Amino acid sequence: NAGVMQNPRHLVRRRGQEARLRCSPMKGHSHVYWYRQLPEEGLKFMVYLQKENIIDESGMPKERFSAEFPKEGPSILRIQQVVRGDSAAYFCASTQGALSYNEQFFGPGTRLTVL
Amino acid sequence: GENVEQHPSTLSVQEGDSAVIKCTYSDSASNYFPWYKQELGKRPQLIIDIRSNVGEKKDQRIAVTLNKTAKHFSLHITETQPEDSAVYFCAAGDSSASKIIFGSGTRLSIRP
Repeated sequence: NAGVMQNPRHLVRRRGQEARLRCSPMKGHSHVYWYRQLPEEGLKFMVYLQKENIIDESGMPKERFSAEFPKEGPSILRIQQVVRGDSAAYFCASTQGALSYNEQFFGPGTRLTVL
Repeated sequence: GENVEQHPSTLSVQEGDSAVIKCTYSDSASNYFPWYKQELGKRPQLIIDIRSNVGEKKDQRIAVTLNKTAKHFSLHITETQPEDSAVYFCAAGDSSASKIIFGSGTRLSIRP
């Protein structure tokens, strides 16, 4: 599943700056999911997108976080005015179709450190 | 919404012995239960999954069982090997759901 690409792999930001995380799904996959993983913790669902549509954003914090998956290009998870508590590994995953019938492939993650 | 609980949080077994990890879920509509393995610093990878129309599924040394009445499912690893050391996550979702909910993970260590 090396096909799911994320960049950057490591990102360092100072408090108050913006963080942009990119995810390119596997070829042929049109469903993208973003998860946050704090150290020593599990994967917390954030948002599910299809091309040009946010399907489920129930796991996204109400402020400072946004996501998009444009018709062309990667999916972007954007965090504005980062705080130390945003430091975590952010994983995206993609599926070819409906989640419960298709394997979810994960990217290598972006490790965000907020100083 | 769905809530998935996973136990134990850490597990240490002697090489060659079996390891069992248990999960419970809350939403009776859930019908898809994948298990992921995450090695240190790596991405999660699917190792096995089960759907609610079966009670057990096996793939070589790995097996998963499902009890829909009790709303719990388990991962069994037999003849454990050093390369089985990792964090294992269970998850649950339903066919109409847009997401799967993960358990908190079990750190499995295999003692030589």
